[in-house]
Amino acid sequence: DIQMTQSPSSLSASVGDRVTITCQASQDISNYLNWYQQKPGKAPKLLIYDASNLETGVPSRFSGSGSGTDFTFTISSLQPEDIATYYCQQYDNPMVTFGPGTKVDIK
Amino acid sequence: QVQLVQSGAEVKKPGASVKVSCKASGYTFTSYDINWVRQATGQGLEWMGWMNPNSGNTGYAQKFQGRVTMTRNTSISTAYMELSSLRSEDTAVYYCARGGSYSGYWGQGTLVTVSS
Repeated sequence: DIQMTQSPSSLSASVGDRVTITCQASQDISNYLNWYQQKPGKAPKLLIYDASNLETGVPSRFSGSGSGTDFTFTISSLQPEDIATYYCQQYDNPMVTFGPGTKVDIK
Repeated sequence: QVQLVQSGAEVKKPGASVKVSCKASGYTFTSYDINWVRQATGQGLEWMGWMNPNSGNTGYAQKFQGRVTMTRNTSISTAYMELSSLRSEDTAVYYCARGGSYSGYWGQGTLVTVSS
């Protein structure tokens, strides 16, 4: 099974800061990597699919990059409404694995 | 609009089974896989498995092999996830999600509580 690691596990940043989260797969997953945002009590929301594609309706301050085993998720200018936990997720047809999550809050 | 509406909260005793439903609307039910994901309180997302509503083919995470069964009723565009031999560690919110390589649509979640 493909394992996913994420770092950091949590972070605290100021409004307007650039925030970066990394995700690493235990083997090559090409670009089959997605990023989700989850707020307390809510279902996850897809932000980025196939490593770098912005889901429709998602603000452009969110972006993703990477391929193979190493991936990066960036919030270019952190906003108060971005407080949430972010998960990476790989797809190795048809099996899926989520990363452990990164909790983001405001300093 | 695409919607996945799940059945209501359940309370079960250890050793029992639970069956959660996920009714799809706003798209052709048989055109997209359904994934099931669970989340224990304060924990991360855990993928349980997938089902192809067209063929009925399924694939389960190794952790749940032998305890989970995913089925569907195409006439009412509904997917089901049944988990047996419940234990306290199965207490979680269970989500269905329209699948494939990524899930842009999720159900609202169903809380399953396992308690004696």
